[in-house]
Amino acid sequence: ELKVEQNPLFLSMQEGKNYTIYCNYSTTSDRLYWYRQDPGKSLESLFVLLSNGAVKQEGRLMASLDTKARLSTLHITAAVHDLSATYFCAVLGNGNQFYFGTGTSLTVIP
Amino acid sequence: GAVVSQHPSWVICKSGTSVKIECRSLDFQATTMFWYRQFPKQSLMLMATSNEGSKATYEQGVEKDKFLINHASLTLSTLTVTSAHPEDSSFYICSARDGGQGVAPLHFGNGTRLTVT
Repeated sequence: ELKVEQNPLFLSMQEGKNYTIYCNYSTTSDRLYWYRQDPGKSLESLFVLLSNGAVKQEGRLMASLDTKARLSTLHITAAVHDLSATYFCAVLGNGNQFYFGTGTSLTVIP
Repeated sequence: GAVVSQHPSWVICKSGTSVKIECRSLDFQATTMFWYRQFPKQSLMLMATSNEGSKATYEQGVEKDKFLINHASLTLSTLTVTSAHPEDSSFYICSARDGGQGVAPLHFGNGTRLTVT
């Protein structure tokens, strides 16, 4: 069974600070996705990482993938309140299904 | 961009009744759609993979007779929660990929919040 774990589960950080969210997965995969979910809303695609060493950046968020370590990171630079949300990583399974991580609930404090 | 429409957004029903949730891909064809369930402050749990023109594939532990899935066309999949009970109350989200297999991300519907009284 494919397992996807995120760390930390909850994160409270001050505006302007940097932090990294980690996503570990249990099986070989070279396709990893990051999503954002606002309270009561559906999921919004943030990044698609397709190969070892892939790095994508959008605004204050940067995602990377290390397929050998089965690890992806989502780095937050100079956090702002608008980034408060829950972030999920997801791995593509053998049957073309997406398996989601446990989620990281981020709260940015003024 | 790819848009997935889900209806209704929320529904309240009495125990024992059935509820149908529709998921439509608006600007692309989806031979495969995925149904997820999410409890408050938890991750998404894959319930089943809906395949156009064939039977759905259910994840282990998901009752196929309780959660009926029909994928009658390339743009529509439905999930029917039969004989609903309060423990079925949850947030149900459908998703699909534009381009089937490959690298495209999943696009999600807005979700349906089901409350069974």
